[in-house]
Amino acid sequence: DIVMTQSPDSLAVSLGERATLNCKSSQSILHRSNNKNWLAWYQKKPGQPPALLIYWASTRESGVPDRFSGSGSGTDFTLTISSLQAEDVAVYYCQQYYTSPLTFGGGTKVEIK
Amino acid sequence: QVQLHESGPGLVRPSETLSLTCSLSGASISDNYWAWIRQPAGKGLEWIGRVSFTGTADYNPSLRRRLTLSADSSSNQVSLRLTSVTASDTAVYYCARDFGLVVPRWFDAWGQGIRVTVSS
Repeated sequence: DIVMTQSPDSLAVSLGERATLNCKSSQSILHRSNNKNWLAWYQKKPGQPPALLIYWASTRESGVPDRFSGSGSGTDFTLTISSLQAEDVAVYYCQQYYTSPLTFGGGTKVEIK
Repeated sequence: QVQLHESGPGLVRPSETLSLTCSLSGASISDNYWAWIRQPAGKGLEWIGRVSFTGTADYNPSLRRRLTLSADSSSNQVSLRLTSVTASDTAVYYCARDFGLVVPRWFDAWGQGIRVTVSS
């Protein structure tokens, strides 16, 4: 199985400041078939299901604010929240779909400083 | 807009079988694969597997021996059956739409989830 490791476990950022979340896969998830990274990011708020933010490592889902951006390739990926808003307090998960079984990272909890 | 709703018992005895149903609205079961994902309290997300309207399913190898996923086109529902449950199967179980067809991809619509506790 591909192991997804997220860091840090938690992150406190001031409102309006940048939040940088990391995700590392145990093997490359850059697929030769389409030269894309098979990685998604989700936001999970308490009592709610996860919500898709980004797929193909950097493509924003429809309706997701542009302060959320994804980057990286191969084994190292980043989710950036350019200007943290109060409603962004949540746990963020990365997920690989390069191979089955699909696996998720352990999550990064984002809080307001 | 697709909506998914999980239903089933909130409490299951150890060694018994967990059965959950996911009812779909706003989308046809034949349009996508439908996945199950779970999250134990305080832990991360685990992909359980996915099923198509034909009954074609992909399973997480860690659960394959105990797991059956099925689909009912007439009722627009998918179901999960997990046998011989233990306390480690206690989790919130989510039904979600898998964007992928040939291979699994990301999940772009989720149910609210159902909390299942395994306890005597």
